[in-house]
Amino acid sequence: SYELTQPPSVSVSPGQTASITCSGDKLGDMYACWYQQKPGQSPVLVIYQDNQRPSGIPERFSGSSSGNTATLTISGTQAMDEADYYCQAWDDTTRAVFGGGTKLTVL
Amino acid sequence: QVQLQESGPGLLKPSETLSLTCNVSGFSISSGYYWGWIRQPPGKGLEWIGSSRHRGTTYYNASLRSRVTISVDTPNNRISLRLSSVTAADTAVYFCASLRLAAAARFDYWGQGTLVTVS
Repeated sequence: SYELTQPPSVSVSPGQTASITCSGDKLGDMYACWYQQKPGQSPVLVIYQDNQRPSGIPERFSGSSSGNTATLTISGTQAMDEADYYCQAWDDTTRAVFGGGTKLTVL
Repeated sequence: QVQLQESGPGLLKPSETLSLTCNVSGFSISSGYYWGWIRQPPGKGLEWIGSSRHRGTTYYNASLRSRVTISVDTPNNRISLRLSSVTAADTAVYFCASLRLAAAARFDYWGQGTLVTVS
């Protein structure tokens, strides 16, 4: 089955830039999206189609893709951005697959 | 505004069948989206269960396919999940979500989730 790999944790200081990666074989042939999940809440879509932001998502959230790695970047990270982040892609065989999640800590 | 609300029993015994319903408001489920289920065991990551569409293909996670049925009830604007022969490993928060299956598949809207415990 298809797998997406994320680092378990990322730490960032307030106001700095946080980057979370997501890698997988042939991910470059698919679009990636990203979800933010705060404790006790449902996931929220923050990036889709590699780099598109849904309405209502702050501009400090951006996405990019290079080769088989997608990256979520949070510029000027705020305390409210502390959460778990999941990448997700759609593979023609496995269908929907999520990465294992990354816990973002704002120190 | 699309809203999804899951409901169903919170406690099951091993070998029983899990049955959940997701009521959708603010959008007709017969209007093009896929609808499905995602679960999250306590303290763990997200696992897609499956997605279906009115008069469309149903997709299932291969690891759960033999035990899962997802149905789309258009008259009542709701979707349902049945998972048979549950074990403790099926203990999780179950979310329903809309799936936009275009060039860039993504889950746009999510319910608040409902915890199902198998014990």
